[in-house]
Amino acid sequence: QVQLVQSESELREPGASVKVSCKASGYTFTSYGLNWVRQAPGEGLEWMAWINTNTGKATYAQGLTGRFVFSVDISVSTAFLEISSLEAEDTAVYFCARDPLCGTTNCEDYWGQGTLVTVSS
Amino acid sequence: SYELIQPPSVSVSPGQTATITCSGDGLPKNYVYWYQQKSGQAPVLVIYEDTKRPSGIPERFSGSSSGTMATLTINGAQAEDEGDFYCYSTDSNDNRGMFGGGTKLTVL
Repeated sequence: QVQLVQSESELREPGASVKVSCKASGYTFTSYGLNWVRQAPGEGLEWMAWINTNTGKATYAQGLTGRFVFSVDISVSTAFLEISSLEAEDTAVYFCARDPLCGTTNCEDYWGQGTLVTVSS
Repeated sequence: SYELIQPPSVSVSPGQTATITCSGDGLPKNYVYWYQQKSGQAPVLVIYEDTKRPSGIPERFSGSSSGTMATLTINGAQAEDEGDFYCYSTDSNDNRGMFGGGTKLTVL
């Protein structure tokens, strides 16, 4: 069965960096793109980027700074989100979500369980 | 790019019809997807491509779209339907995704 398993929660100090992983299984990794979505505490969902798992090229949300880098390692069917120069405002749950497979009678949609990144001194 | 606008909250009594709207200039050209999120969990898709319901989603959930507005309707809302609902769409001009601000549904 399709699974997206994300890395565990992380606690970092301001200015540090963090790398969140999203490991896919149960399907051919390069057949579907991946979206990254974040949710700050008490806030709504925010789409961050879509990554082409074949090429590693990402389409970023407008306004997302260069501190956020999205990548893939096809050999281990894993996508990564690396955030540098962390700020308190980066505290959020980060989700990965596979492009859905939708037909006339069903739509298969898969999300990771989310990774909480806490930025605090 | 454009924005998706949702009401912050909707409240209904059990058995009533809940209606959640999502407006955006790009909706006539782009599909809307609706997600339900319960506290602390990953979102669950309840409507895709404006009107279609994934398997396993109760029939009381339905979607419609007209012009710049999409609507999620829950006929005969139940207590278990409480949660936050988000509309989602992509801008076909730049392939960027976007979520509405979310609507908190209360059934009591």
